[in-house]
Amino acid sequence: DTGVSQDPRHKITKRGQNVTFRCDPISEHNRLYWYRQTLGQGPEFLTYFQNEAQLEKSRLLSDRFSAERPKGSFSTLEIQRTEQGDSAMYLCASSPRQGKGIYNEQFFGPGTRLTVL
Amino acid sequence: AQKITQTQPGMFVQEKEAVTLDCTYDTSDQSYGLFWYKQPSSGEMIFLIYQGSYDEQNATEGRYSLNFQKARKSANLVISASQLGDSAMYFCAMRLPDNQAGTALIFGKGTTLSVSS
Repeated sequence: DTGVSQDPRHKITKRGQNVTFRCDPISEHNRLYWYRQTLGQGPEFLTYFQNEAQLEKSRLLSDRFSAERPKGSFSTLEIQRTEQGDSAMYLCASSPRQGKGIYNEQFFGPGTRLTVL
Repeated sequence: AQKITQTQPGMFVQEKEAVTLDCTYDTSDQSYGLFWYKQPSSGEMIFLIYQGSYDEQNATEGRYSLNFQKARKSANLVISASQLGDSAMYFCAMRLPDNQAGTALIFGKGTTLSVSS
C-alpha cells in the first residue's frame, strides 16, 4: 500500500492556460474526493466519485473545472482557462467502502500546488 | 448546513507539555462524525483521530485524545507530551454518514501549533 499519490506536486502556469492534475487512490478504495485549499484556509470540497460515477459536485466547481475517473481507478482534474484565483493546493483523498463505524476515513495525497501567474 | 469553527489561529507550547486545540461544530443532524487532521509544512493531511456522534466514550489514539462534549457541540483535540514533530497545522472536520447526502469532509480554518524545546 503506497498511499494516495498525486502528480505533479507543483505546477506553475500562465493565466489562460489549461492544466490537468492526476490522482491515484489507494488501490482498493472505491471512493475518491477532490478538495481545494487556499492559503490560510481549510480544504474545501470540490467533487466526489464512487467508482467511475461522479456523484457530487460543489458549487465551487465552475464550468472551467472538469473531473473524470475512467474505470474507477485514477482520477484527473482539469482546469481550463486558468485564472489567478485558481492558485491553491489541490488535494485528492480516497476512502474504502466501509471504514470506522459508518463514517469512512479519508486518506489524503500530498496535493498539487498550483500557481497561476 | 454544517460548520466547523476553530477560534485559535496559533498555539504555542513547550516540549513535553499538553496542549488543547479547540473545535466547535454546528449541525442539526443527530448522526455525524468528527475528525482531526494534521498538516505539516509538506502539505499532506494526516488523519489523527475520529469520534462518532453516538460514541459514549471520548476517542483516544496514542498521545491524541478528543474531548467530546456533545451538548456544547465541541470536539477539542488534546495532545499530551508535545514533541517538536507536532509542529504543524491542525484541522477539525465533520461529515455526515454515508447514507445521507454530503459525503465530503467539512473543515475548519485550522490552528497552527508551534512546539519549542
